[in-house]
Amino acid sequence: KQEVTQIPAALSVPEGENLVLNCSFTDSAIYNLQWFRQDPGKGLTSLLLIQSSQREQTSGRLNASLDKSSGRSTLYIAASQPGDSATYLCAVEGGATNKLIFGTGTLLAVQP
Amino acid sequence: EPEVTQTPSHQVTQMGQEVILRCVPISNHLYFYWYRQILGQKVEFLVSFYNNEISEKSEIFDDQFSVERPDGSNFTLKIRSTKLEDSAMYFCASIGRIYEQYFGPGTRLTVT
Repeated sequence: KQEVTQIPAALSVPEGENLVLNCSFTDSAIYNLQWFRQDPGKGLTSLLLIQSSQREQTSGRLNASLDKSSGRSTLYIAASQPGDSATYLCAVEGGATNKLIFGTGTLLAVQP
Repeated sequence: EPEVTQTPSHQVTQMGQEVILRCVPISNHLYFYWYRQILGQKVEFLVSFYNNEISEKSEIFDDQFSVERPDGSNFTLKIRSTKLEDSAMYFCASIGRIYEQYFGPGTRLTVT
């Protein structure tokens, strides 16, 4: 059974700092991995999708990497801003119906 | 940009009552999903739906739950007799060709 873990559970950084969020999964037979952002009481905003054949994806200040063989993904946020404060969720997609299995998330606070 | 919409945004109901949560997926998507998130917990997969039938369901999705696509646009989740533990955010998602899942803003269900 696929298990997804995210470390750290919470992170507080000063504005401008670069940071890395970690995601690990137990079953390497995945199709894709998606990173989401969730603001308090809100829905899920897709940030990046990495297909299983890819090693990384970039969007603006965000860069996500995927190492399927070791069951790990990282989300790198450059030059963090207070507006980046949110919970970041990692989800792996697998199985015949492409359902997503989510991690517990990392709560990020960027201090001005 | 196309988006997934959900109604209502918040539903309060009494234990034992039936509720129907509604979703309008992105129009050219083919796979549809319901997930839920109990406050403070992980986002959990409930059910996937393709070609007008359930393609996979989780252990949570028992006989009290049903899904339907009554017309070409709506996708509904019905809970027949709500329990206190059904209180959660319910998210609808749909998937496009490259398997990126797009989530709606969610319906907060409160069972009293």
